[in-house]
Amino acid sequence: DGGITQSPKYLFRKEGQNVTLSCEQNLNHDAMYWYRQDPGQGLRLIYYSQIVNDFQKGDIAEGYSVSREKKESFPLTVTSAQKNPTAFYLCASRGSSNYGYTFGSGTRLTVV
Amino acid sequence: AQSVTQLDSQVPVFEEAPVELRCNYSSSVSVYLFWYVQYPNQGLQLLLKYLSGSTLVKGINGFEAEFNKSQTSFHLRKPSVHISDTAEYFCAVSLQTGNNRKLIWGLGTSLAVNP
Repeated sequence: DGGITQSPKYLFRKEGQNVTLSCEQNLNHDAMYWYRQDPGQGLRLIYYSQIVNDFQKGDIAEGYSVSREKKESFPLTVTSAQKNPTAFYLCASRGSSNYGYTFGSGTRLTVV
Repeated sequence: AQSVTQLDSQVPVFEEAPVELRCNYSSSVSVYLFWYVQYPNQGLQLLLKYLSGSTLVKGINGFEAEFNKSQTSFHLRKPSVHISDTAEYFCAVSLQTGNNRKLIWGLGTSLAVNP
């Protein structure tokens, strides 16, 4: 079955370290998205990519970076510049004729 | 500015009772509307969507929603809830801005179904 795979499900990071969250999709979707979810704040857009080798900042891009070298993959790096990285991170994708998003199961990042 | 408002942050309800989760949006352009459900520590799953046509939309798990253009609302309903419906529910609006299509999210409604 097609879908989106996020890994790992849980991730612990020491302060000052960069960490990369994986997002892979086999839906042949063009657009991919990264969201951050905190309690009571809904979903906030970090970065998105409409096509390979192109991506745009979302509403809260500071302290994060992404790449889109392959259609299937859209990894997110949480850098040491992100002041409050502990959160639940969700990756999503959307096909060109599909107005809804398909989500991965999320990665919970905790800074220790 | 466009926005989505979910009028209730928490909705407690007893099992087998009906429930309505309210969603209003502000936009002057044509929109597409969605409801998603999120179970604890999981991603979001599409419940239903309105793109065009009939304003009453039926989704998975017995949920339905009605698009009301004049009131700019898209309320989610279920006639009889189960314990397993306990989850977070998100309303979202998709609108075209220039060459991009943007999805705007509500803050979510936590539905707690009690026995």
